[in-house]
Amino acid sequence: NAGVTQTPKFQVLKTGQSMTLQCAQDMNHNSMYWYRQDPGMGLRLIYYSASEGTTDKGEVPNGYNVSRLNKREFSLRLESAAPSQTSVYFCASSEDSSGVYGWELFFGEGSRLTVL
Amino acid sequence: QKEVEQNSGPLSVPEGAIASLNCTYSDRGSQSFFWYRQYSGKSPELIMSIYSNGDKEDGRFTAQLNKASQYVSLLIRDSQPSDSATYLCASYASPAAGNKLTFGGGTRVLVKP
Repeated sequence: NAGVTQTPKFQVLKTGQSMTLQCAQDMNHNSMYWYRQDPGMGLRLIYYSASEGTTDKGEVPNGYNVSRLNKREFSLRLESAAPSQTSVYFCASSEDSSGVYGWELFFGEGSRLTVL
Repeated sequence: QKEVEQNSGPLSVPEGAIASLNCTYSDRGSQSFFWYRQYSGKSPELIMSIYSNGDKEDGRFTAQLNKASQYVSLLIRDSQPSDSATYLCASYASPAAGNKLTFGGGTRVLVKP
């Protein structure tokens, strides 16, 4: 059982380049999330998708776009990468996000992105 | 001011001792709280959740919640070197507050043999 799978695990970009981080989950979860983690900052939500067909902005959405391709897949796109987007990116999923009890997040292994 | 605050540490404890981690939050509407453990270079994993005031025990872990003081803590009894990790506190408020988990910056714990 793979859980949450992210690709690529490592990527180096030059400023202005674009790329897409892919995420897939096999737990039949409704909700999916993209977080970034910077030293001392904890996890900050970029975008989330409460259910197939919906996406919403999180705390730090600027410079990113997302696509919920189907129930399993949720991709994150950087259209024009900037050094400030150097970070570790985590995709996560949960059974649902509709209330107090639906917040056990299952995380992928992370994608380490460096923008030069 | 961050919505969820944690001491970054490192919190150094001898093997077999109790590690006490603290977390404060600013949103009085927060309803549920979570502790995630993250080993270096790995992804976070949920270890405890707590929804009501008081203590909740699971094995060597005890979560404590005091909503009046806006304070949640995690105790790790009989600490082992394998407990060395960063512990992230997270809170959930409500759909009106954005329907998301808010994470603190994490406390690094180092258990010394």
